[in-house]
Amino acid sequence: DTEVTQTPKHLVMGMTNKKSLKCEQHMGHRAMYWYKQKAKKPPELMFVYSYEKLSINESVPSRFSPECPNSSLLNLHLHALQPEDSALYLCASSQGGTPQHFGDGTRLSIL
Amino acid sequence: SQQGEEDPQALSIQEGENATMNCSYKTSINNLQWYRQNSGRGLVHLILIRSNEREKHSGRLRVTLDTSKKSSSLLITASRAADTASYFCATDNDYKLSFGAGTTVTVRA
Repeated sequence: DTEVTQTPKHLVMGMTNKKSLKCEQHMGHRAMYWYKQKAKKPPELMFVYSYEKLSINESVPSRFSPECPNSSLLNLHLHALQPEDSALYLCASSQGGTPQHFGDGTRLSIL
Repeated sequence: SQQGEEDPQALSIQEGENATMNCSYKTSINNLQWYRQNSGRGLVHLILIRSNEREKHSGRLRVTLDTSKKSSSLLITASRAADTASYFCATDNDYKLSFGAGTTVTVRA
């Protein structure tokens, strides 16, 4: 079992839908991350939150909107996604910058 | 963004054999890390080696680092079926992890 919990595990949505991915950690970590991983590729960083504030946005399209309601929770709001956004979305947390602890991800499919 | 290359891309070995994979990176680093990803799962941190270290061991894992060549290697000794996974090296720069392309290891029973 991982210490970073992501829900849902799988999500299928249409291009006009609005959905959210959720991530939770109770390790007291102060940094939380969103990554996107395509099949047979390494994870690519999307966003970094440090002390509940967005510190890094890797030029991610605005159809992805992160939110950090408190130090344990991280959301990724999705709207008007494209088929190429289908991927595994991974959440991670860390006390400092490293090492990072990953959840098992949400596998997202866009119809 | 992807930091560098890993080779081989894929590796198939018999249980009990050793597996070696290499990682090259492009920029100067504070440390280099290795992560494992089992199929359908998240990444698990394996080991971190600092830029002033040349070799580090953790159980059946041995990592080397050559900063002059900007390269690292991961050796898994006495492999087991449970070692079947993808292995990624990663460098970090102020909370940003950049991963190599990864090596897929298959351990045959």
